[in-house]
Amino acid sequence: AQTVTQSQPEMSVQEAETVTLSCTYDTSESDYYLFWYKQPPSRQMILVIRQEAYKQQNATENRFSVNFQKAAKSFSLKISDSQLGDAAMYFCAYRSGTGGSYIPTFGRGTSLIVHP
Amino acid sequence: GAGVSQSPRYKVAKRGQDVALRCDPISGHVSLFWYQQALGQGPEFLTYFQNEAQLDKSGLPSDRFFAERPEGSVSTLKIQRTQQEDSAVYLCASLSTGDATGELFFGEGSRLTVL
Repeated sequence: AQTVTQSQPEMSVQEAETVTLSCTYDTSESDYYLFWYKQPPSRQMILVIRQEAYKQQNATENRFSVNFQKAAKSFSLKISDSQLGDAAMYFCAYRSGTGGSYIPTFGRGTSLIVHP
Repeated sequence: GAGVSQSPRYKVAKRGQDVALRCDPISGHVSLFWYQQALGQGPEFLTYFQNEAQLDKSGLPSDRFFAERPEGSVSTLKIQRTQQEDSAVYLCASLSTGDATGELFFGEGSRLTVL
């Protein structure tokens, strides 16, 4: 079974600064997808960014980008120009591609605190 | 509807009571997932439906947990004889079959507190 590990229970960043959240995963598959989800307090979880494993280019969505290291099975999230609204729990998730289980597996999350 | 809707948002139950949690997914989303999220933890998979078929229920923690989706749209998660360890947020998520990457759309969750 695939496992997703987020080793940072909590991270802090100053407003307008950059922060990187770490995620590693364990899999023997070659076809899969990786996601970062954001869960604000008492609000629904939403997708921040996704990465297809077959793509070498790192995904970018505005201030959010990933560093995908397939060989190292690492998938970190970089948030640039942090804003107060970025404060939330961030979850890394893994989903198999063709032929595997389509059930997404989540890490334990990282709580991001943004200081004004 | 525009998004995934879950009800009730909050439920307090006495130990031993039965509870039912409802999920109304995005219209047309074939796949539906239930997750359990304990305080300060990540979502843990409970069960998965494709239309009305329950394809995977390996995450249900005991036979007190039961889920159904009889018409392939609304789903209900039922917990019988609730225990304190059942206290958690229960998340429902749906997925569009047209999206190969599998972005999940979540509801706001149902927070269950068992006294």
